[in-house]
Amino acid sequence: DAGITQSPRHKVTETGTPVTLRCHQTENHRYMYWYRQDPGHGLRLIHYSYGVKDTDKGEVSDGYSVSRSKTEDFLLTLESATSSQTSVYFCATRTDMNTEAFFGQGTRLTVV
Amino acid sequence: RKEVEQDPGPFNVPEGATVAFNCTYSNSASQSFFWYRQDCRKEPKLLMSVYSSGNEDGRFTAQLNRASQYISLLIRDSKLSDSATYLCVAPRKGTYKYIFGTGTRLKVLA
Repeated sequence: DAGITQSPRHKVTETGTPVTLRCHQTENHRYMYWYRQDPGHGLRLIHYSYGVKDTDKGEVSDGYSVSRSKTEDFLLTLESATSSQTSVYFCATRTDMNTEAFFGQGTRLTVV
Repeated sequence: RKEVEQDPGPFNVPEGATVAFNCTYSNSASQSFFWYRQDCRKEPKLLMSVYSSGNEDGRFTAQLNRASQYISLLIRDSKLSDSATYLCVAPRKGTYKYIFGTGTRLKVLA
């Protein structure tokens, strides 16, 4: 399995606070993705990156921002957390556009 | 219309049964296709890639139908341990997006 580490694994935060989730990979994969998973919705793409400092929006990007200052790290920030952002967040990486993606173990975020 | 669609199920089947899922994709430019398995509260894991000529791995067979724009997954001799959610991906050629279907839930019953 690809070396993909998400931190923290669990977090409880209050409404209105900023939150940053980290995805770290040791595989030198070019592409990185952030998803959220909620019952009845499956995996929904939030943002993705196709290189250092190259990012773009996915299906559900409102309220989220990302940064990728180096190949191995992709950060997801909730500028002002809301209860609707309570979810499980997964990071994934790929080597190129025709290959499969590998996932981190997920971060369970609860906004109270 | 969603880019990738799946029947959410659940599919409840007895042990030993054969079960098949389909996944339809809307963009004919998709080139590569994948099936993932996801256990409850765990990360998705690659089950198999889907090639133009099909792909078989033990009890699992994946097929691609380009004319009708769907991929299928066939599971033979179902085991209790096959109970999971099965997700498909059909990335659009020329884009970096990696969009999943909502998944099909399978329950294999003793």
